[in-house]
Amino acid sequence: AQSVAQPEDQVNVAEGNPLTVKCTYSVSGNPYLFWYVQYPNRGLQFLLKYITGDNLVKGSYGFEAEFNKSQTSFHLKKPSALVSDSALYFCAVRDPGGGGADGLTFGKGTHLIIQP
Amino acid sequence: NAGVTQTPKFQVLKTGQSMTLQCAQDMNHEYMSWYRQDPGMGLRLIHYSVGAGITDQGEVPNGYNVSRSTTEDFPLRLLSAAPSQTSVYFCASSSAGRFSGNTIYFGEGSWLTVV
Repeated sequence: AQSVAQPEDQVNVAEGNPLTVKCTYSVSGNPYLFWYVQYPNRGLQFLLKYITGDNLVKGSYGFEAEFNKSQTSFHLKKPSALVSDSALYFCAVRDPGGGGADGLTFGKGTHLIIQP
Repeated sequence: NAGVTQTPKFQVLKTGQSMTLQCAQDMNHEYMSWYRQDPGMGLRLIHYSVGAGITDQGEVPNGYNVSRSTTEDFPLRLLSAAPSQTSVYFCASSSAGRFSGNTIYFGEGSWLTVV
């Protein structure tokens, strides 16, 4: 069965500093990986995804993520944090070979707090 | 550019009442699904559909029904509301199959409280 782990419930970063939100996954084959962001009382917004190709994926709002197959990780990064980046971030994995009714499994989410 | 539209945004129900959460998408997506979000548990799949006339159960289907009579609409019915169904509900859609790399798009959510 596939799974996603976001080991940090909360990440605190000072504005202007680089940020990292961690995600590790477990699937039987090659994964499709996604990051979503949720602002208070809003739906999930798509940030970026890894399907194949370059391990460094660039997405919306200056975010990027690096796929590391050997470490089964897909950490979300941004070089310089903004207060407006404060939100709840979800990592999700899809096993293209199957493994579950939907094939898409979400982590429990990480609260990112950017301090002015 | 509406995307995925959910109604209502907020709802309070009494235990035992029934209701329907509406979901519509205007992107001609074949795949639609319903998730519930609970604190510290991420999103869990309730039901999904790979096309009109086809539905299937997800991880937490008990107490919910769905139907897919058109490509655009995918309503979620709570048959007899229970306090354990207090949650935030998200409808989502994507093109192509459920095992594809296509992006899943979410609605704005429906906050449901059962008292």
